[in-house]
Amino acid sequence: QSALTQPPSASGSPGQRLTLSCSGGTSNIGRNSVYWYQQFPGTAPKLLINKNNQRPSGVPDRFSGSKSGTSASLAISGLRSEDETEYYCAAWDDSLRLFVFGDGTKVTVL
Amino acid sequence: DVQLLESGGGLVRPGESLRLTCAASGFEFSSYAMNWVRQAPGKGLEWVSVISAGGDRTYDAASVKGRFTISRDNSRRTLYLQMYNVAVEDTAIYYCGKGNIAGIPAAPYDWGQGSLVTVSS
Repeated sequence: QSALTQPPSASGSPGQRLTLSCSGGTSNIGRNSVYWYQQFPGTAPKLLINKNNQRPSGVPDRFSGSKSGTSASLAISGLRSEDETEYYCAAWDDSLRLFVFGDGTKVTVL
Repeated sequence: DVQLLESGGGLVRPGESLRLTCAASGFEFSSYAMNWVRQAPGKGLEWVSVISAGGDRTYDAASVKGRFTISRDNSRRTLYLQMYNVAVEDTAIYYCGKGNIAGIPAAPYDWGQGSLVTVSS
């Protein structure tokens, strides 16, 4: 069982706002930054959100991240068909001394 | 542009050894921490190891501690993952990931295309 909990799936219609959750604990999300990655099948992951809420260059502003306490969220506004893929959250865990990933959320655009 | 090119993967038998290499270009390699992250077939991402920019600090996942060793040669702009006593459960695509700071923790910011390691008898 992963240290970070993500729902296995989420779905929405084109144009909608979709929010993905990531739940952790005091030793990881509670004390450290959260990162979000997007991964299409057969390709390497791509950093989508850096340090809780920062978008790397080239990431559309439709994607936004937030953190509160021991939980974090990734919001996708104006959902598009090309957003249909897997999303992972990650954070450093001070107790385990390693990065922990969530199991990923598969987003489906209806 | 940042480029990370992994190599060294392949088919190995349980108990054997293998060394993965990640050749870096397009950035000041010696200034950034580096990670290895793996992904078993059909599964999610699993972080493996991280090394600081100078190579003086490393951390490993419990699943590989004592069997895998991360190292780097800044003069060659190369990251390594030496894998000993591999097991079937180590079968995965191994990605190298560049951090965006010198120290640890440094989450993977840029990723290579991955190298497939298959452990099977």
